[in-house]
Amino acid sequence: QVQLQESGPGLVKSSETLSLTCTVSGGSIRNYYWNWIRQPPGKGLEWIGYIYYSGSSNYNPSLKSRLTISIDTSKNQFSLKMSSVTAADTAVYYCAGGDGYNLENWGQGTLVTVSS
Amino acid sequence: QSALTQPASVSGPPGQSITVSCTGTSSDIVNYKYVSWYQQHPGKAPKLMIYGVSNRPSGVSNRFSGSKSGNMASLTISGLQAEDEADYYCTSYRSNSTLVFGGGTKVTVL
Repeated sequence: QVQLQESGPGLVKSSETLSLTCTVSGGSIRNYYWNWIRQPPGKGLEWIGYIYYSGSSNYNPSLKSRLTISIDTSKNQFSLKMSSVTAADTAVYYCAGGDGYNLENWGQGTLVTVSS
Repeated sequence: QSALTQPASVSGPPGQSITVSCTGTSSDIVNYKYVSWYQQHPGKAPKLMIYGVSNRPSGVSNRFSGSKSGNMASLTISGLQAEDEADYYCTSYRSNSTLVFGGGTKVTVL
């Protein structure tokens, strides 16, 4: 069973860049789509984007201008960078893997708070 | 991008069946058989319950079933149990190769 673990700062200052990494264990990072999803406190889930092991990626159009998702297959890791964050970006950020249509395996999530 | 539409809440007594709806558009649910459903208990990560409209992953109870007609997908929970009380989210693949979530439905066991 593939396991995922998010890591990164829990506090980011407004206007700065949020950076998170997801480490994949128990399986290969190849042949899967690797996603980021977020959930503001008390609200619903929002898909952020995905990257394929080949490096091809796609993003939520509403966030695209601020996003970069990258992958390091040698470390079995993929990462999220979101620039110019505001309080509205405060959320639990999840990483998840799947076949491009489903999110089969999820990390436990990490809370990122944007402070002014 | 606009979310899929789900009712805010659905409830039912133990043992009964309930259905959660998920309404989309021709850009997603209507033209793709890639609707999934996720269960999320408080403070926990979501869990895949249904994929490809009506398929259950290994280990998911057969009390959970999914279907689709036109622009609406549905999740039915039969024989409702206390452990089914959770938030449920639908997702669909979209024509721009993205995924979109529904707003979520709180299922309450009365």
